[in-house]
Amino acid sequence: ELKVEQNPLFLSMQEGKNYTIYCNYSTTSDRLYWYRQDPGKSLESLFVLLSNGAVKQEGRLMASLDTKARLSTLHITAAVHDLSATYFCARTFGDYKLSFGAGTTVTVRA
Amino acid sequence: SQTIHQWPATLVQPVGSPLSLECTVEGTSNPNLYWYRQAAGRGLQLLFYSVGIGQISSEVPQNLSASRPQDRQFILSSKKLLLSDSGFYLCALRWTVSSGNTIYFGEGSWLTVV
Repeated sequence: ELKVEQNPLFLSMQEGKNYTIYCNYSTTSDRLYWYRQDPGKSLESLFVLLSNGAVKQEGRLMASLDTKARLSTLHITAAVHDLSATYFCARTFGDYKLSFGAGTTVTVRA
Repeated sequence: SQTIHQWPATLVQPVGSPLSLECTVEGTSNPNLYWYRQAAGRGLQLLFYSVGIGQISSEVPQNLSASRPQDRQFILSSKKLLLSDSGFYLCALRWTVSSGNTIYFGEGSWLTVV
């Protein structure tokens, strides 16, 4: 069975501090995706990680992939209010079909 | 660049009524298209996917069906809605030529079955 587990499910961040969201998956996957979802909105693509050791960065967000550990992390540097959202990781199976984690709801407080 | 249009954006339907949600894409040719549903307590779940006209694969048994009558059109339907069909329906696209490995999502359709 394909399983994607994220933790934590809820994350209260203090502005200016650093945090990490973890994404574990149960079987080998070629690709790992990170998405952002704002309340009531669709999914926005953040990163696609294709190989072991892949690291991608955009602004305050950095994602990495360790295929041997079946682990991806999303690191948030110096959190700001604009980063409040729900973050999903997903892995592919078959024809780029996505199996999603439960999501991590991030709230950034002053 | 490719764009995904979904309509209607929001609808409220009584139990037992039919459903038709439409997804139309632009700026692509022969894309992979997907229907996902996000429902309370069930997360994001793949419902159907299509690799071409008339080619539909169902991922989970359910009260819904999908069709792809044209290369850039993907339709989600039901003959009789159930309360459990309520949710946020998302159409997604993957187009090898331009997007490579990226999978894009439309704006979604909110369905409430009452």
